[in-house]
Amino acid sequence: ETGVTQSPTHLIKTRGQQVTLRCSSQSGHNTVSWYQQALGQGPQFIFQYYREEENGRGNFPPRFSGLQFPNYSSELNVNALELDDSALYLCASSLAGVGETQYFGPGTRLLVL
Amino acid sequence: AQSVTQLGSHVSVSEGALVLLRCNYSSSVPPYLFWYVQYPNQGLQLLLKYTSAATLVKGINGFEAEFKKSETSFHLTKPSAHMSDAAEYFCAVTVSGAQKLVFGQGTRLTINP
Repeated sequence: ETGVTQSPTHLIKTRGQQVTLRCSSQSGHNTVSWYQQALGQGPQFIFQYYREEENGRGNFPPRFSGLQFPNYSSELNVNALELDDSALYLCASSLAGVGETQYFGPGTRLLVL
Repeated sequence: AQSVTQLGSHVSVSEGALVLLRCNYSSSVPPYLFWYVQYPNQGLQLLLKYTSAATLVKGINGFEAEFKKSETSFHLTKPSAHMSDAAEYFCAVTVSGAQKLVFGQGTRLTINP
């Protein structure tokens, strides 16, 4: 059974640029959630995708957008990068349902200069 | 809205001593509660979860947590600390109908030899 994978592992961008982060969900999982973890903080929910549709969103601006593909993999896109976007971005996959466990990938560390 | 408070951003114990990490939650409906561990430069790994089946939940690596509704708590314990337990620990809550996990700020556990 393959776990959640994310790419790239590290990324450096400059302010104003755009970035795409990728996530492959664990085998059998149909739901993907994205979180932002700033240094020294707990993860903050960005949004969730289920069956290729956004299924809930946290308090993040529209320049944070996502996609889910038929194989349940997902992308997180961030436009017009700001310095405060520097963080660890975590992807989690799960089954759909109440109280289902979310399994996390290793994350992508984004640095915006 | 749900929330989690982890008391103590940093806990230090001696090897072999009891580990106690505190988590209090706020939820107007029955919660699902989770403890995750994060090792340096890695993603989150599930330690255990509470889904109302039993109030005392046993997890991996000798950790356990007890759900106390009257105290709105879900503290994490381990009878005897190992050096390998040094990591960041996060408590998280979700409820039926919600898509997201709400995390606490985390507790950094240090083990002294």
